[in-house]
Amino acid sequence: NAGVTQTPKFQVLKTGQSMTLQCAQDMNHNSMYWYRQDPGMGLRLIYYSASEGTTDKGEVPNGYNVSRLNKREFSLRLESAAPSQTSVYFCASSESRVQETQYFGPGTRLLVL
Amino acid sequence: RKEVEQDPGPFNVPEGATVAFNCTYSNSASQSFFWYRQDCRKEPKLLMSVYSSGNEDGRFTAQLNRASQYISLLIRDSKLSDSATYLCVVKGANFGNEKLTFGTGTRLTIIP
Repeated sequence: NAGVTQTPKFQVLKTGQSMTLQCAQDMNHNSMYWYRQDPGMGLRLIYYSASEGTTDKGEVPNGYNVSRLNKREFSLRLESAAPSQTSVYFCASSESRVQETQYFGPGTRLLVL
Repeated sequence: RKEVEQDPGPFNVPEGATVAFNCTYSNSASQSFFWYRQDCRKEPKLLMSVYSSGNEDGRFTAQLNRASQYISLLIRDSKLSDSATYLCVVKGANFGNEKLTFGTGTRLTIIP
């Protein structure tokens, strides 16, 4: 089992460029999440998908869109990157929305110039 | 006031010592509490859940004080491998709002 995988590991973008961060899990989990982590701030929830076919905004959704492609995959898209989106992005999954243990991917380090 | 507050540290502790961290939370209705561990440039991983009665897992002990709204983590006989950032995590109470709220983390370095 690979657990939760994310691609790419690193990315440098110019302001205004777009990109999609990919996430996949092989644990047959229903719920998936996207977080960002910035220095001095805790992990903040961007979007989540409680189950296949549903997505909901988290704490900091502005500037992002998501797609729950199927049960395994949950992608995060930046349509027009801004320097404020420079961060480390983590994808996570759990058996269900109410299930307490979340399993995280290795993260994507994004720099927007 | 932040929902979850932790002392950022760093805590520099000699190997074999006992170290304790506290974390406070603002929502008195919060139901579930956890400690996650995050190694440098790695993803967070669940260390242990925190139960009302307190719980122990080897050298690690977690306590919850609902009246004062804080949770604690005690590490005994610390090892070099315990060096990491420890994240205090609180789960929302309301149906439809079961999201996890993460503290900023307490950084621990164990010194040989």
